[in-house]
Amino acid sequence: DAGITQSPRHKVTETGTPVTLRCHQTENHRYMYWYRQDPGHGLRLIHYSYGVKDTDKGEVSDGYSVSRSKTEDFLLTLESATSSQTSVYFCAITPRTDNYGYTFGSGTRLTVV
Amino acid sequence: QKEVEQNSGPLSVPEGAIASLNCTYSDRVSQSFFWYRQYSGKSPELIMSIYSNGDKEDGRFTAQLNKASQYVSLLIRDSQPSDSATYLCAAHNNNDMRFGAGTRLTVKP
Repeated sequence: DAGITQSPRHKVTETGTPVTLRCHQTENHRYMYWYRQDPGHGLRLIHYSYGVKDTDKGEVSDGYSVSRSKTEDFLLTLESATSSQTSVYFCAITPRTDNYGYTFGSGTRLTVV
Repeated sequence: QKEVEQNSGPLSVPEGAIASLNCTYSDRVSQSFFWYRQYSGKSPELIMSIYSNGDKEDGRFTAQLNKASQYVSLLIRDSQPSDSATYLCAAHNNNDMRFGAGTRLTVKP
């Protein structure tokens, strides 16, 4: 996806290990979001950022933390991965929140075994 | 609880027909509404947005919004096999974009 990349694309990790997913944008957008997508649940917001070092919790934030030290990077950390965190994780960006849609990254498929 | 509800489908239409996708939302303060298309194994892609009651047309797509009924719909005219995907409805207020689970559309040649 133009202007937004996620890494890694796929990851398998063991229960109890920490995991960090990266979202990198070149659009200089202020707002960045982390979602997870699970069958039957659609996309659910984990955390979001409205500026450098400004973050807030979303609907399903337990077990996750985020950091944004630069405009272009938004990191999602699973502090101690559990099998319930097996999911596809999407990062999204937008320049403004009034009547503006999001652009999504390609996603990270995470499997916790 | 702020919910966005969609019929999961699958919705199957013949090529050239009109596909009608529907969505309801529970949060009355939602201000803007979006339709995203998601191909299997890919990320969601924004295809339509609507903010005011009524219809909004963009090519083969028409979005319809009725805030009194808390209802959003997407019509796809002259459906093509390439339109086969899952369509996600979203309701947005400030930094809170809520998504439905999606309707899977299949367009048969």
